[in-house]
Amino acid sequence: DGGITQSPKYLFRKEGQNVTLSCEQNLNHDAMYWYRQDPGQGLRLIYYSQIVNDFQKGDIAEGYSVSREKKESFPLTVTSAQKNPTAFYLCASSTTGHSGNTIYFGEGSWLTVV
Amino acid sequence: KQEVTQIPAALSVPEGENLVLNCSFTDSAIYNLQWFRQDPGKGLTSLLLIQSSQREQTSGRLNASLDKSSGRSTLYIAASQPGDSATYLCAVSGNTPLVFGKGTRLSVIA
Repeated sequence: DGGITQSPKYLFRKEGQNVTLSCEQNLNHDAMYWYRQDPGQGLRLIYYSQIVNDFQKGDIAEGYSVSREKKESFPLTVTSAQKNPTAFYLCASSTTGHSGNTIYFGEGSWLTVV
Repeated sequence: KQEVTQIPAALSVPEGENLVLNCSFTDSAIYNLQWFRQDPGKGLTSLLLIQSSQREQTSGRLNASLDKSSGRSTLYIAASQPGDSATYLCAVSGNTPLVFGKGTRLSVIA
């Protein structure tokens, strides 16, 4: 089936630990995005990539890092510098940039600090 | 900086009622506006996409309108059903990726 796969669904992080969330798409989309959602809140943009080997910071990039070595993959690392990482993380993709195309979302990953 | 506001934050209606969800945005220089549905603990599903040159889009019982000059959009749901219970999010795209509102949490009571 075509779509976006995020893994793991649930992840627990200890204080001071880096963790990586996986996002894979088989839709042949050029653009990929990472959003963070806190309870009762809308989505806030962390990073986005419009093409392989290129990415831009979103509104809340501090404490996060990404890579885009392959078109289908856009992993997000939550570093120890992110002081409040407990949230729901959503990955998305679209055909070309963000100018006018429908965006598709994965099922999300829950990250909890223990 | 683009800001998107959704009113009301929560809404509870009896089954069969028609309802309207509201979305407003501060910068009218947008490419498109999208409405999404989110079930608890799940990702987002796109419901309707309205390009900046369009006034409305319809899909089944859903109708979304866009008034770009006034920075407003509405999502009209006809003959609501308990299965419509979810959070509805509005988002706009311009020179940056989608900017989201906080959503309206809808409960349709049987």
